[in-house]
Amino acid sequence: DTGVSQNPRHKITKRGQNVTFRCDPISEHNRLYWYRQTLGQGPEFLTYFQNEAQLEKSRLLSDRFSAERPKGSFSTLEIQRTEQGDSAMYLCASSFSNQPQHFGDGTRLSIL
Amino acid sequence: AQRVTQPEKLLSVFKGAPVELKCNYSYSGSPELFWYVQYSRQRLQLLLRHISRESIKGFTADLNKGETSFHLKKPFAQEEDSAMYYCALASRTSSNYQLIWGAGTKLIIKP
Repeated sequence: DTGVSQNPRHKITKRGQNVTFRCDPISEHNRLYWYRQTLGQGPEFLTYFQNEAQLEKSRLLSDRFSAERPKGSFSTLEIQRTEQGDSAMYLCASSFSNQPQHFGDGTRLSIL
Repeated sequence: AQRVTQPEKLLSVFKGAPVELKCNYSYSGSPELFWYVQYSRQRLQLLLRHISRESIKGFTADLNKGETSFHLKKPFAQEEDSAMYYCALASRTSSNYQLIWGAGTKLIIKP
């Protein structure tokens, strides 16, 4: 197992476009988390799944953001009608229940 | 309010000197705290958690509930310790478990 995998590593898009990121967690982990990190800040929680159920969504997650984990394995995070303020590093982490979270390398989103 | 504060954005010390990275938290329940580290061009990784009471790479951290602190310490810094360090607090409810993060401290070890 190579750990948590995120694709793409970088995404550059024009304002107003839709983008989708993918996260493949460690295979035996039942929990999957999405975070956003901007320059000079720690990660900010966005949402998390236990198996295929989305259990919590942050107020940071506006209606333009949606996340899915359809089969309880990989997850996707979609941002519709991107805005300048969406530029950030999007981090995915996975864990087995309340055990420590393991992180991916992140997807860096740049909005032109 | 649940909050993690790392008051120092940057800490620079000489090799061989002691290091202390500060972390203070605000949490109404029983806290569970972590230190994560991010070396240059690498992903975030767990350094240690308070319930383990272990020393990793020479680092230790003691939870002080009276001072609501979880400072990270190492008696003799090494150049390979240069990295970003994040303190994180586990926030639990009956249906939710998430980490609340500090802004991070960049540690630079000078030769």
